[in-house]
Amino acid sequence: ILNVEQSPQSLHVQEGDSTNFTCSFPSSNFYALHWYRWETAKSPEALFVMTLNGDEKKKGRISATLNTKEGYSYLYIKGSQPEDSATYLCAHNNAGNMLTFGGGTRLMVKP
Amino acid sequence: ETGVTQTPRHLVMGMTNKKSLKCEQHLGHNAMYWYKQSAKKPLELMFVYSLEERVENNSVPSRFSPECPNSSHLFLHLHTLQPEDSALYLCASSQARTNPYNEQFFGPGTRLTVL
Repeated sequence: ILNVEQSPQSLHVQEGDSTNFTCSFPSSNFYALHWYRWETAKSPEALFVMTLNGDEKKKGRISATLNTKEGYSYLYIKGSQPEDSATYLCAHNNAGNMLTFGGGTRLMVKP
Repeated sequence: ETGVTQTPRHLVMGMTNKKSLKCEQHLGHNAMYWYKQSAKKPLELMFVYSLEERVENNSVPSRFSPECPNSSHLFLHLHTLQPEDSALYLCASSQARTNPYNEQFFGPGTRLTVL
């Protein structure tokens, strides 16, 4: 993988459903993997910075895992709420603090 | 005011105009960034400044000219743009450019339309 790829591009779920999405990135020269949450008309907001293979981070109902050997990270949302509706971006850092972003997963949670 | 602010939030300009985008960070950070998001494309890094020195120019055309007069302010000067330059321009800052573990803090962006 040469670029950062996210799947799916968009996702519609019902309130209360749990969901997950994927970020794939080049596994060579890995420094860190960032997850951001971007609500419409607002600024992207950092969720997690993950650095070690096997890392698992959690913030409330949102958690993320990291596999640097195979080059992927999963973001999980447990019991989705309408306020979770946003675009979730991942970014790969392979030099200094230069981020290469994926195209994002747009999540819409229906009440 | 806290965080990263950007002005204007929306800008419409003709191809012969000269305009500037402004970014200000109130976080005491040393590094500032310009990103571009075109329709249906990922966020793309344009420029990086560290301690007021430009350290990265990601093959950006010269019609975009950044300026960083101090560590709190970043400008993007625009001159003879093309319609394909219409995009959302985001500014970000971080504590140190060289630390890959520092999260970046983003402004809300300027939506630019070039007619």
